[in-house]
Amino acid sequence: DAKTTQPPSMDCAEGRAANLPCNHSTISGNEYVYWYRQIHSQGPQYIIHGLKNNETNEMASLIITEDRKSSTLILPHATLRDTAVYYCIVSRLNQAGTALIFGKGTTLSVSS
Amino acid sequence: SAVISQKPSRDICQRGTSLTIQCQVDSQVTMMFWYRQQPGQSLTLIATANQGSEATYESGFVIDKFPISRPNLTFSTLTVSNMSPEDSSIYLCSVEDRLLQYFGPGTRLTVT
Repeated sequence: DAKTTQPPSMDCAEGRAANLPCNHSTISGNEYVYWYRQIHSQGPQYIIHGLKNNETNEMASLIITEDRKSSTLILPHATLRDTAVYYCIVSRLNQAGTALIFGKGTTLSVSS
Repeated sequence: SAVISQKPSRDICQRGTSLTIQCQVDSQVTMMFWYRQQPGQSLTLIATANQGSEATYESGFVIDKFPISRPNLTFSTLTVSNMSPEDSSIYLCSVEDRLLQYFGPGTRLTVT
């Protein structure tokens, strides 16, 4: 079973920041937090991942709380093309053969 | 990042028949994974395929129904056998590459 809890849906206005929360209260010390998104009918796309420090790349920022029990994915300037299902996953991909286990994710709708 | 292609991209099949889905990666990878995404649902892991050994199936999935081949480090096939309408889904191939997981575009299967 997925070890994360996400709101089923969120709305965001185009050009505004989208902040997607994720709870992972049972995360263990060697598990990473991964974020993927799936645009309609496409394969999931990797966004970002982190262990305990905040991370930023060209797509998004990841803020992980100090106790690591929750995190927030931030899309700084959402566009219509960011409309997708966003999955927060905790996993030990550094352990060979460990596959990502997907929960239900958050459906983000960006509107103009 | 690894680039993954799948064939066919979509197919419509009659019940009782079988379909083999191909997954090709542009680089050598140790671990490959197969997922199923039923309509309106999240991704479910079917099996893990390591080159040179038998695939490892998740609970609820059996080799007779979903035989998998992994002849080399860049290729794998998943067969959906004796299909029924309940097998109508998107089937996705995924690979682990440098501690991240990447996904193919998926094969959309409709069983009539």
